Amino acid sequence: GAVVSQHPSWVICKSGTSVKIECRSLDFQATTMFWYRQFPKQSLMLMATSNEGSKATYEQGVEKDKFLINHASLTLSTLTVTSAHPEDSSFYICSARDVDLNNYGYTFGSGTRLTVV
Amino acid sequence: LAKTTQPISMDSYEGQEVNITCSHNNIATNDYITWYQQFPSQGPRFIIQGYKTKVTNEVASLFIPADRKSSTLSLPRVSLSDTAVYYCLVGPDRGSTLGRLYFGRGTQLTVWP
Repeated sequence: GAVVSQHPSWVICKSGTSVKIECRSLDFQATTMFWYRQFPKQSLMLMATSNEGSKATYEQGVEKDKFLINHASLTLSTLTVTSAHPEDSSFYICSARDVDLNNYGYTFGSGTRLTVV
Repeated sequence: LAKTTQPISMDSYEGQEVNITCSHNNIATNDYITWYQQFPSQGPRFIIQGYKTKVTNEVASLFIPADRKSSTLSLPRVSLSDTAVYYCLVGPDRGSTLGRLYFGRGTQLTVWP
């Protein structure tokens, strides 16, 4: 089945530094990828929709200059948390949709635990 | 977007059937109902999707009444490994190019031995 890989699975960084999270579709091509953030005991919150070769679409209230998204190929999207602060500590999850609608569905990565100290 | 309402938590024992009901009073004509499962520190996993009546797969059944204002996810004979958060989502068919998935609060199911 479709597999989405996220890397790293966890990261600890110092306040003020930037962190990049990768999301790869391993066995399918994804024109669209989605980034979510999940705080403890809360639901997933959609941050942005990433389309290959174009600018990401951010949800209301999400700072696009802080959460930089790049979707340069059909199998890779990256999320960079710039100038991270402790309040950015969260579980970040990506999701990808297969370009082949016969293999429809949203496949989620296993998530990245970001801790900013 | 149709809003969904689910119980915050449910408890069950191993071997029992669990039914989780989701309310979606404002569901649109072309909306589908999809359920996802999430374990701690993992991404959600698709369980089942339906439009009307009943859908069954190897994992669960989904019951949708004629008015489609609610749906019930049925998990037969749960085990400890079914302890997870279950999300009910309403939106375009997962095969649609229009879709973005917005998650509600979900239901924490705890299965006891």
